[in-house]
Amino acid sequence: AQTVTQSQPEMSVQEAETVTLSCTYDTSENNYYLFWYKQPPSRQMILVIRQEAYKQQNATENRFSVNFQKAAKSFSLKISDSQLGDTAMYFCAFIPLGTGNQFYFGTGTSLTVIP
Amino acid sequence: EAQVTQNPRYLITVTGKKLTVTCSQNMNHEYMSWYRQDPGLGLRQIYYSMNVEVTDKGDVPEGYKVSRKEKRNFPLILESPSPNQTSLYFCASSPVGVDTQYFGPGTRLTVL
Repeated sequence: AQTVTQSQPEMSVQEAETVTLSCTYDTSENNYYLFWYKQPPSRQMILVIRQEAYKQQNATENRFSVNFQKAAKSFSLKISDSQLGDTAMYFCAFIPLGTGNQFYFGTGTSLTVIP
Repeated sequence: EAQVTQNPRYLITVTGKKLTVTCSQNMNHEYMSWYRQDPGLGLRQIYYSMNVEVTDKGDVPEGYKVSRKEKRNFPLILESPSPNQTSLYFCASSPVGVDTQYFGPGTRLTVL
C-alpha cells in the first residue's frame, strides 16, 4: 500500500526563523515524484516544490528546500526566513510511476508564522 | 489565463438529489483528477483520468461517478448524495499523469 505520513498536525515559527516540516512515505516503487503543496486560508492549492526520486540533488525554490532521503523514505520541507504569508496548511504528496498514476497525499501540517 | 475552473463554488443540497460539479481546464492537459478534502484526512483521490474515455478509481470512489468525453472537461456526478459526502472538492489537471497537479479553486458541498 502507498501511504504518506505527516506526523506534525500543527507547527509554529517566529517570523524570519527557519522551520522544517516532516513527511515520510511508503511505496515499493523505485521511481516516483514527490511534492509539497501549500494551502493558504484562501483554500487554493499551490505547488511549493517538486522532487524526482531518481535525482539525488535536493530541490530548492528560493526560501524553500527539501531534504530527500530515499532510503529512509523521507521528504522534509525546510522554510527559511519565514514570512507571514507562509502561514498555511502544507501537504506532502507523491505519485509512483508505473502503478496507475494515482496521487497520494498526507494529512497536512498547519503552519503558523508568528510576527 | 491558464486555469482549472470548477462550478459551483458552493452548493447546499439535500440527501438523494442528484448533482454535478463541473471541471474544465484550458491547458490541453491529458490528466485530470478529483479529490475530496476532509479535516484530519488530507486530500483523497476520488477518480482520475489519463485521457479521453479513460478513467480509474482512486481511494474513495464509492458514491461518485465521472466521465471524460472531452479532453478539457471532467465532471463529478453524485447520483444520490448523502451527508457523508459533505466535503471540500478539488479538481486538478496535469500535462501527463506523473507531473505537477494544477488545482481548481474548490467546491464546498454540504449535503443535508
